[in-house]
Amino acid sequence: AQSVTQPDIHITVSEGASLELRCNYSYGATPYLFWYVQSPGQGLQLLLKYFSGDTLVQGIKGFEAEFKRSQSSFNLRKPSVHWSDAAEYFCAGVYTGTASKLTFGTGTRLQVTL
Amino acid sequence: ETGVTQSPTHLIKTRGQQVTLRCSSQSGHNTVSWYQQALGQGPQFIFQYYREEENGRGNFPPRFSGLQFPNYSSELNVNALELDDSALYLCASTPQRGFYNEQFFGPGTRLTVL
Repeated sequence: AQSVTQPDIHITVSEGASLELRCNYSYGATPYLFWYVQSPGQGLQLLLKYFSGDTLVQGIKGFEAEFKRSQSSFNLRKPSVHWSDAAEYFCAGVYTGTASKLTFGTGTRLQVTL
Repeated sequence: ETGVTQSPTHLIKTRGQQVTLRCSSQSGHNTVSWYQQALGQGPQFIFQYYREEENGRGNFPPRFSGLQFPNYSSELNVNALELDDSALYLCASTPQRGFYNEQFFGPGTRLTVL
């Protein structure tokens, strides 16, 4: 089945440190890939998306993600984390086809220590 | 520009009852999708409505049904509630049908089934 996997349930980083959140998609056709962030009491907000072309994608709030076909990965990165980045992060994918739908990973909760 | 709104914010029901959740799409958006997010999980796609017609459905039983109105607002109805229906229900709107565009999410309705 077409799926998106986030191996890390919970990550803690210090403010100012770099961040990398992992995302893997199931082998096969390349999906359209997204990263969303969910803060408490708020809806999900799109950080960035990848459809094709340049494999390094820039997003909002200083985030970027790199698509690596050889590793079936689409990891989210930020060079310096701020305390306000603490939230739940979801990787999601859409596989083309008649039954396409947005499939989310289980999420990674980011905690930022001061 | 008004974002996606959902009502009510919280809801408590008992097993076997029926519930209706409401969503107002963002201005200019003709497509609404509904998701169920259980505790500690990523959102799961329920169905999508485009111009008042269902445009795709996830793996949810028929007791989950929906409706979209001419102003593109939408309702999610769940009959014969079960304990496992307890979750955050998210609504998202987009200016085009399908899932290749950014989904604009509302804050969700927290449903508790006792």
